Amino acid sequence: DAGVTQSPTHLIKTRGQQVTLRCSPISGHKSVSWYQQVLGQGPQFIFQYYEKEERGRGNFPDRFSARQFPNYSSELNVNALLLGDSALYLCASSFGVNPYEQYFGPGTRLTVT
Amino acid sequence: AQSVTQPDIHITVSEGASLELRCNYSYGATPYLFWYVQSPGQGLQLLLKYFSGDTLVQGIKGFEAEFKRSQSSFNLRKPSVHWSDAAEYFCAVAGPAGTYKYIFGTGTRLKVLA
Repeated sequence: DAGVTQSPTHLIKTRGQQVTLRCSPISGHKSVSWYQQVLGQGPQFIFQYYEKEERGRGNFPDRFSARQFPNYSSELNVNALLLGDSALYLCASSFGVNPYEQYFGPGTRLTVT
Repeated sequence: AQSVTQPDIHITVSEGASLELRCNYSYGATPYLFWYVQSPGQGLQLLLKYFSGDTLVQGIKGFEAEFKRSQSSFNLRKPSVHWSDAAEYFCAVAGPAGTYKYIFGTGTRLKVLA
């Protein structure tokens, strides 16, 4: 079975631009979570979506938004990009709303110049 | 507030030597604990998890971890390290019910000497 997939793999954007990252969960998984991993640090929780509803939000500004589609795939949007948004963005999926067994995708490496 | 501490930023061991990576957590209730491994440029792979029951849990790739409530620790061990184990290791605790998030430590980078 396919694991969690993310696109694109790499992305370079300029400050002030907007970016959309995409994630497809493991088949049958209904929950998607997004994490930001800055170089040299552990992942930081951004959002969790379950059944198309936001179930959790981390300490990120409103420039970060996300949504989940009927097929359970998800998009993460970041507006007005800052240099500090440069990071690896990880998507994780799990079957139920309690993400006590999450499976991570390979991530999207975002570079903001 | 929940937190995870990995005291060792870098660890270097020789191939074939034993390994122990430390993880301490702060959590009010019975924690759900995880160890993940991340190879350069890759996502996270789950090594093992602890939810309840036996405090010694076995994982993939020959890893095991022991939950010690009295010490608030969940250390990862491997009796004989292989060169392919060189990677970054993250300990995580599942956030409180209703927040649906993992809280990760800052990671320990493992280097294996041939």
